[in-house]
Amino acid sequence: QSALTQPASVSGSPGQSITISCTGTSSDVGSYNLVSWFQQHPGKAPKLLIYEGSKRPSGVSNRFSGSKSGNTASLTISGLQAEDEADYSCCSYAGRSTYVFGTGTKVTVL
Amino acid sequence: QVQLVQSGAEMKKPGASVKVSCKASGYTFTNYYIQWVRQAPGQGLEWMGWINPNSGDTNYEQNFQGRVTMTRDTSISTTYMELSRLRSDDTAVYYCARANYGQVTIDFEYWGPGTLVTVSS
Repeated sequence: QSALTQPASVSGSPGQSITISCTGTSSDVGSYNLVSWFQQHPGKAPKLLIYEGSKRPSGVSNRFSGSKSGNTASLTISGLQAEDEADYSCCSYAGRSTYVFGTGTKVTVL
Repeated sequence: QVQLVQSGAEMKKPGASVKVSCKASGYTFTNYYIQWVRQAPGQGLEWMGWINPNSGDTNYEQNFQGRVTMTRDTSISTTYMELSRLRSDDTAVYYCARANYGQVTIDFEYWGPGTLVTVSS
């Protein structure tokens, strides 16, 4: 299956809100409410931010929120902070116990 | 606390095989699936497959079928990912991640630190 499509880069100023899109198909994002979002700082392992489309694990800031419309999932970061500068990836369940990740988005805090 | 400790970096020649380990601690090993994900330099994450440590059942991404084997040793709470017939484009950091399929569905809840595998002649 093809990778989910994310914008290569998104930027914003401190305090602003930004949204990262994750576009799949009716076979993955569109069919299941099982999109996850991850944050990854350089040289580090990914960290789970959102699961089941919109749920946050314990300890993850409520500045991170997830949603979905049709075949596109979105991650919104509100009140952007310098520490949010990182790479962000989405992942969707794709049926038959398989998964597909997004292409990744680099977030820059201006 | 949940910990996943992976084996150290590997350097392999094209055509060889590599076996990466992922030792779990802080939870009941057989109760949670382990996923394997890789990331080539400067690229996105790529799902490789999962193993059910309880049954040994596996499911591999189609692109890796025939080249990847995931196994586990319940006596030492360790899962293994072996990739054969290595090519230069297999150069990547390989991650294991624990899933959680209890009252929630969390496919990649905790991650190991990653293992760099370099394939070069």
